[in-house]
Amino acid sequence: QVQLQESGPGLVKPSGTLSLTCAVSGGSISSSNWWSWVRQPPGKGLEWIGEIYHSGSTNYNPSLKSRVTISVDKSKNQFSLKLSSVTAADTAVYYCARGRGGGSSNWFDPWGQGTLVTVSS
Amino acid sequence: EIVLTQSPATLSLSPGERATLSCRASQSVSSYLAWYQQKPGQAPRLLIYDASNRATGIPARFSGSGSGTDFTLTISSLEPEDFAVYYCQQRSNWPPKYTFGQGTKLEIK
Repeated sequence: QVQLQESGPGLVKPSGTLSLTCAVSGGSISSSNWWSWVRQPPGKGLEWIGEIYHSGSTNYNPSLKSRVTISVDKSKNQFSLKLSSVTAADTAVYYCARGRGGGSSNWFDPWGQGTLVTVSS
Repeated sequence: EIVLTQSPATLSLSPGERATLSCRASQSVSSYLAWYQQKPGQAPRLLIYDASNRATGIPARFSGSGSGTDFTLTISSLEPEDFAVYYCQQRSNWPPKYTFGQGTKLEIK
């Protein structure tokens, strides 16, 4: 059973870079799945950040594309998120998730437990 | 860009009652819609995919229906653990992007 676990600093300074890693266990990151990051500001809804395939192909939310980089490390069975030039608006719980389905049919299962990242000086 | 609109924003019901949650897409998404449940302090959990398929381990009281632009998540008889926030989700292929509805909070009356 695939499990995901996020890790990284819980506090980032304004204008800095947020960096998180998602470790995949119980399965291979090289399987036929896309791997995503989703965030949720406190008390608000869900926002998709972007996704990566084990080949390194990526797709990003157009609203965040200029600041986001997602990478994969197959040797460690993990993928990572970098979000640059952060502001208080980037304060959120960040989740990693496995994309399932194919073509136009896509959903997330499972999700990591999430990690709160606060942007503050 | 496809926008998902959920209604109502808040639904107040009692255990044992039937819950009907709506998700409307701004353009057709065929049957490619998923539903999630999120409890406080927890990650979202997949309930339904492709509009009507229950995910593994999801109780039969949860059902999904709809196609095109109008979708419904029904909980036939509410259990105490069902009070949570529910989100719908779809993915567009161009540009590749996942979108979520704003959520419906199901609260105890």
